[in-house]
Amino acid sequence: SQQGEEDPQALSIQEGENATMNCSYKTSINNLQWYRQNSGRGLVHLILIRSNEREKHSGRLRVTLDTSKKSSSLLITASRAADTASYFCATDSYFQGGSEKLVFGKGTKLTVNP
Amino acid sequence: EPEVTQTPSHQVTQMGQEVILRCVPISNHLYFYWYRQILGQKVEFLVSFYNNEISEKSEIFDDQFSVERPDGSNFTLKIRSTKLEDSAMYFCASSVAGRDQPQHFGDGTRLSIL
Repeated sequence: SQQGEEDPQALSIQEGENATMNCSYKTSINNLQWYRQNSGRGLVHLILIRSNEREKHSGRLRVTLDTSKKSSSLLITASRAADTASYFCATDSYFQGGSEKLVFGKGTKLTVNP
Repeated sequence: EPEVTQTPSHQVTQMGQEVILRCVPISNHLYFYWYRQILGQKVEFLVSFYNNEISEKSEIFDDQFSVERPDGSNFTLKIRSTKLEDSAMYFCASSVAGRDQPQHFGDGTRLSIL
C-alpha cells in the first residue's frame, strides 16, 4: 500500500518566507520521520515524531502529526536559499512485525529563491 | 559528526555482471539497511540486517541480491546477475537501535547497468 504521500510536489518561495509541506499516509504507524535530500546526495534525517506525539520542534522546523487524519506537516520558518532541497516523509510501522523499515513518499521539491 | 560512507559513488556495469556495493555504517550502530531510488521514483526499502542476519526483506530483494557484514565494519550489497532495471541509486543506512531511532544515510552509489 502507498504511504507517505507529500504535497505539494513542488514549492517555490522567497527567502524569509515560511514553507509548509504536508504528508498523508494510509496505515497506522509507530513514528513518522522527515528527511531532506540535496541534489545528488543522501537523505539527511530532520526530525522524528512518535505516534503519541502531536507536535515537535527543532530549530526552524516544526512538525505536527494528526493520527486521526493520518497526516503530518513540516513547517520551515524563515526559509533560506540553503533550504532548497527535496523533503520526504517516511513512516515506520514496526508493530506490524519485522524490523524497522521506512516507507517513503515521493517528496516535495522546495526551491527558496534569494 | 560520524557518517555512513558508501563506495563507489558511481558504478557502471554490463548487464549480467555481478556488482558489490560497499558501505561503512556508523561504528556504534547495530541496525543496517539498504534502500534504492530509481530515477524520479520513491526511495524503496530493500533489506534490513541485525545481529548478522537479515531481519526483513522486500519483494524487490530476490535471490539475485545478498548482503553481508564480512568484517565487523563493512556492510555490502551484492547483485549477482544485474539487469537493466537494477539501475538506480542505492543507499545504505544505519541506526543505533531498531525502534524509534533515525536512520542515517550515506550519499549513495549510482548504479548504471548497460
